[in-house]
Amino acid sequence: EAGVTQFPSHSVIEKGQTVTLRCDPISGHDNLYWYRRVMGKEIKFLLHFVKESKQDESGMPNNRFLAERTGGTYSTLKVQPAELEDSGVYFCASSRTRRQGGTDTQYFGPGTRLTVL
Amino acid sequence: AQSVTQLDSQVPVFEEAPVELRCNYSSSVSVYLFWYVQYPNQGLQLLLKYLSGSTLVKGINGFEAEFNKSQTSFHLRKPSVHISDTAEYFCAVSPYILTGGGNKLTFGTGTQLKVEL
Repeated sequence: EAGVTQFPSHSVIEKGQTVTLRCDPISGHDNLYWYRRVMGKEIKFLLHFVKESKQDESGMPNNRFLAERTGGTYSTLKVQPAELEDSGVYFCASSRTRRQGGTDTQYFGPGTRLTVL
Repeated sequence: AQSVTQLDSQVPVFEEAPVELRCNYSSSVSVYLFWYVQYPNQGLQLLLKYLSGSTLVKGINGFEAEFNKSQTSFHLRKPSVHISDTAEYFCAVSPYILTGGGNKLTFGTGTQLKVEL
């Protein structure tokens, strides 16, 4: 089966511009997560979708970030307007529906490296 | 809330030598524990995970980790490393949740393992 894919792999934009990142999860995975790694720091959780619903968006930095998952398939993460501190690698992960009391193994995409100049 | 500490940012080791990558965590609830690896220009790949049961967990590529509840540690080991093990390794935890919620991962800052000839 195909893995998690992300597009683009790299994006270089200027401060104030808008960028949209896309994530295609593994087919059949209801859970979709976004994470971000700022250079030299830990990978941090941004938000979690279950199908098309936002389950947890506690990690979203501010209202310049907008995530959507229309139809419960692919997801987009839009940054508008981008700021210098938004630079980093944005990872997407997906997993199957979690059994009660269990956990879901998250499969990660290769990430999108965003550079804001 | 959870936190993960990987004290060693870089670990150089000669090929065929043993290696241990350290991970300590803090959490007010029970957690699941994971080790992920990121090879150059690739996404994160799950190495192994501890959910319950035996505290010694075996993963892919000859890696293993031992969960120590009293020391809140989950150190990763390999008895003999290969050049191909050169990568960045991330320790992560997620909270044990009976129903609802998500399994967002909290990561450490990563350890760069460099295997030399």
